[in-house]
Amino acid sequence: QQQVKQSPQSLIVQKGGISIINCAYENTAFDYFPWYQQFPGKGPALLIAIRPDVSEKKEGRFTISFNKSAKQFSLHIMDSQPGDSATYFCAAKGNTPLVFGKGTRLSVIA
Amino acid sequence: EAQVTQNPRYLITVTGKKLTVTCSQNMNHEYMSWYRQDPGLGLRQIYYSMNVEVTDKGDVPEGYKVSRKEKRNFPLILESPSPNQTSLYFCASSPRGQGGFFFGEQYFGPGTRLTVT
Repeated sequence: QQQVKQSPQSLIVQKGGISIINCAYENTAFDYFPWYQQFPGKGPALLIAIRPDVSEKKEGRFTISFNKSAKQFSLHIMDSQPGDSATYFCAAKGNTPLVFGKGTRLSVIA
Repeated sequence: EAQVTQNPRYLITVTGKKLTVTCSQNMNHEYMSWYRQDPGLGLRQIYYSMNVEVTDKGDVPEGYKVSRKEKRNFPLILESPSPNQTSLYFCASSPRGQGGFFFGEQYFGPGTRLTVT
């Protein structure tokens, strides 16, 4: 039972463009929504996270947009760079262990 | 250096031969977890542990065992591995926050790539 649906599965973006990855959830008890970044051969690492009391959180070129009523959240990568090429996982937790989306493989091409 | 270590990093074995993948963290975290990562399926939780001697099943526990005798260690045991357990395995740890499973950030190990023939 997938509790967090992530799209797209893969994404190709030109250098300097905006990368957008979307996630949707059903469980209204979720209260923490992180994004993890994973480079090949490495474990995932926390990139940015948001709680539902705010609609947006920005850290450098990375922004999470959160829509509580639609039960959706998204990751925006501004001015995408080849070094951003990685797999990105959205996740969510409430009073349960962290649940991950299936991941998006991002390729930023020059 | 704060880290989660896993051993071995790569393992090729045969069906039915018991194996253990070790996981250790040096951050004094209460919460530890095992995941498997498969193409198109993302990260799926196998088992987790809220503290010493406390473990619970995740989404895909069949065919796996764990133990938590010490706070820093959380080994994953495959008593009789099968080819469908060929996967990339990650251990993770996190400090426990107030009232919740954990406060937020999970720290992942480097992964163990297991092949069962």
